[in-house]
Amino acid sequence: GQQVMQIPQYQHVQEGEDFTTYCNSSTTLSNIQWYKQRPGGHPVFLIQLVKSGEVKKQKRLTFQFGEAKKNSSLHITATQTTDVGTYFCAGLPQTGRRALTFGSGTRLQVQP
Amino acid sequence: DAGITQSPRYKITETGRQVTLMCHQTWSHSYMFWYRQDLGHGLRLIYYSAAADITDKGEVPDGYVVSRSKTENFPLTLESATRSQTSVYFCASSELRQGGSPLHFGNGTRLTVT
Repeated sequence: GQQVMQIPQYQHVQEGEDFTTYCNSSTTLSNIQWYKQRPGGHPVFLIQLVKSGEVKKQKRLTFQFGEAKKNSSLHITATQTTDVGTYFCAGLPQTGRRALTFGSGTRLQVQP
Repeated sequence: DAGITQSPRYKITETGRQVTLMCHQTWSHSYMFWYRQDLGHGLRLIYYSAAADITDKGEVPDGYVVSRSKTENFPLTLESATRSQTSVYFCASSELRQGGSPLHFGNGTRLTVT
């Protein structure tokens, strides 16, 4: 079945440093979504990418969808303590069982 | 999100007992989902529903039962709880089918099976 791998599992940064998490799918995706989960909270939708090579920005967050639609990344510029949480990608395969598959997440810790 | 509520927030039960987790949404979304979250596994889909009286299995359905008699409610029942079902359970809803629109999650139910 489809697998979505996310790296790193965990990252600890100093406030002000940049952060990137990567998502890789074993199959070509129709689209990919990103979610953020604060400690003790629930996942909250951030964005959806659909087009090959798409880049979207939300303030300090930059999301990319790979040309082959098999990978994606989330980059945070100049992290703040409010960025703390776990970031999940979720991919929808183009073919086969059309079920959203979540990556295992990247937990971000930001040291003030 | 205020539009989707789960109850209870915390539940401790014993092995072999039946337990039902409740989920209610006020958006009139067609699709509803149950996920479990375990360390190292992200979110795994248990069951989903496309509309009232239409349900389908997800990735990890064994040991769980769902029903959807009304659009707004989607309860999840563990017929005979096992320790491996200790987890955080999230209910979610969406306007469109999986991946077609954002998932809106409830606050979760932390279930411990002793």
